[in-house]
Amino acid sequence: EVQLVESGGGLVQPGGSLRLSCATSEFTFDKHWMSWVRQAPGKGLVWVAEISGDGSVTHYVDSVKGRFTISRDNAKNSLYLQMNNVRGEDTASYYCARHGDWSFDVWGQGTLVTVSS
Amino acid sequence: DIQMTQSPSSLSASVGDRVTITCRASQSIANYLNWYQQKSGKAPKLLIYSTSNLQSGVPSRFSGSGSGTDFTLTISSLQPEDFATYYCQQTHRTPRTFGPGTKVDLK
Repeated sequence: EVQLVESGGGLVQPGGSLRLSCATSEFTFDKHWMSWVRQAPGKGLVWVAEISGDGSVTHYVDSVKGRFTISRDNAKNSLYLQMNNVRGEDTASYYCARHGDWSFDVWGQGTLVTVSS
Repeated sequence: DIQMTQSPSSLSASVGDRVTITCRASQSIANYLNWYQQKSGKAPKLLIYSTSNLQSGVPSRFSGSGSGTDFTLTISSLQPEDFATYYCQQTHRTPRTFGPGTKVDLK
């Protein structure tokens, strides 16, 4: 069964850093683009960033450009999101998602990031 | 950026009802429109991709249509497990924007 499992969430102070991980299994990881999507408590879904299968191409939503970095380690079948200089508005559940046919066909269960002093 | 809107924002329906949710893009997105279902406390689940293609394992009571800027998700006969929030998403351009969601609850 294809699986995505996020980890690394928690409480972080404003201006601090956090690294999220997404461990994947049961599919050819390097053949798929991957994304991070976040959801603030009680709010809708917001796409955050995406990365190509070989890691050479990345895109970000404007609100995280220059602060967040998406990366991947294809040898470890893992996706990452480095979050620097976090703000209160970054508080959310963060989901990793696999790109399928121009869609996000598999999602992880999410990891909660809380930015607070 | 491409803005996505959905209507209605919420609806109340009964089991067996036919339900239609509309999604509109601020510019043409061809057929790069997906629909997701999210239940409370759970991850989103892909229902329909590229406007009208049913994701594997999704019941046939779900269907999608549209093109350009206007799209529709239809549930032909609402079942108890369908009470959830539904999101559209465009993947024509980055940022891959989602609609604000439509919450379907029990009348």
